[in-house]
Amino acid sequence: GENVEQHPSTLSVQEGDSAVIKCTYSDSASNYFPWYKQELGKGSQLIIDIRSNVGEKKDQRIAVTLNKTAKHFSLHITETQPEDSAVYFCAASKGAEAGGTSYGKLTFGQGTILTVHP
Amino acid sequence: NAGVTQTPKFRVLKTGQSMTLLCAQDMNHEYMYWYRQDPGMGLRLIHYSVGEGTTAKGEVPDGYNVSRLKKQNFLLGLESAAPSQTSVYFCASSYEPSRGTQYFGPGTRLLVL
Repeated sequence: GENVEQHPSTLSVQEGDSAVIKCTYSDSASNYFPWYKQELGKGSQLIIDIRSNVGEKKDQRIAVTLNKTAKHFSLHITETQPEDSAVYFCAASKGAEAGGTSYGKLTFGQGTILTVHP
Repeated sequence: NAGVTQTPKFRVLKTGQSMTLLCAQDMNHEYMYWYRQDPGMGLRLIHYSVGEGTTAKGEVPDGYNVSRLKKQNFLLGLESAAPSQTSVYFCASSYEPSRGTQYFGPGTRLLVL
């Protein structure tokens, strides 16, 4: 089955700096890669996602890059703010277009605790 | 529109006791999922459902049962709780599994003594 590794496990930055979190996946058939943000006491919220037919996607201060050959994808947060502090999870799945019956099952990375210091 | 809600928010059980966690969604989603989250391990899929009346095993199904009698509700049951089931449980729902986007509830923190 799919295996997703996420690094680093903790990341501490100063406000205004950039933060980068990296994930690698094992199943070359995976074609959907979302990133979730989990704030203390809350459920995970999708912040950005990317599909295997795209190499990069950007949404304001957040961007995700995908390298299919190397099977890794990364989350980039620029101009970090204290409210960006949270646990971030990457995930991978095989959609129906991959020919599987994964029913949207996501395999998650271990999570990264991001702390942005004012 | 409440999204995905979970009850209870927190529960303490003694070993061997049973309980049911309730997940409800008001987005008319077909697909629903139960995950558990443990330190350093991310979220792991317990069971999922692709529609009313259907359930399937996920990555870590042992010790849990589920039911989807109504489209909007997905119940997770622990028949005989064990300390290893101490965890935070998250429910999620999805409209189009091929797109992968899942919407998560706020979680249920369970402590088994």
